[in-house]
Amino acid sequence: GNSVTQMEGPVTLSEEAFLTINCTYTATGYPSLFWYVQYPGEGLQLLLKATKADDKGSNKGFEATYRKETTSFHLEKGSVQVSDSAVYFCALSLIDGNTGFQKLVFGTGTRLLVSP
Amino acid sequence: KAGVTQTPRYLIKTRGQQVTLSCSPISGHRSVSWYQQTPGQGLQFLFEYFSETQRNKGNFPGRFSGRQFSNSRSEMNVSTLELGDSALYLCASSPTQGTNNSPLHFGNGTRLTVT
Repeated sequence: GNSVTQMEGPVTLSEEAFLTINCTYTATGYPSLFWYVQYPGEGLQLLLKATKADDKGSNKGFEATYRKETTSFHLEKGSVQVSDSAVYFCALSLIDGNTGFQKLVFGTGTRLLVSP
Repeated sequence: KAGVTQTPRYLIKTRGQQVTLSCSPISGHRSVSWYQQTPGQGLQFLFEYFSETQRNKGNFPGRFSGRQFSNSRSEMNVSTLELGDSALYLCASSPTQGTNNSPLHFGNGTRLTVT
């Protein structure tokens, strides 16, 4: 089946540290890949996306590269800020073979805590 | 453009009652999805509606139901509430169907507490 695996959290970093949150996926077909972020008390917001192999999504200093050979979409940021503290969700999107419509599969989320 | 609006933000109900949650998608978006978020289970897909028709359904009991109106607004209903239904219920909309790269736009959710 289709699934997304994220590293367990919480990830605890000091401000200005380098961030990596690992994400690997299993999918039939050619998914699009997304990272969403959820700040406390809010819904999920799209952070970045990549729609085909070797695409790099980037936004607000965050980057992730769609690696088909390793089925991965790791999230990175060179220098985190306290304001980046949130829960990060990796997700894949496919066309469901039964319905013909888009279906999203989310990972379990990784909490990031950044201290000053 | 206004974002996805969910009402109410917070709700407290007792076991056995029923509840209706409302979602207004971004203007022009025709697809609306519902998710349940809990600390133990994470994000779980409930159902998706497009043009008033349910297109996808997750693995939830029949107590969970939904509908979509002609203006794309959606409601979900939970009957005979159980303690385990306490969760953040998130609604998300997207503009299109038939592609696999339309991101979802989420509302801030309705926090349901069942006592």
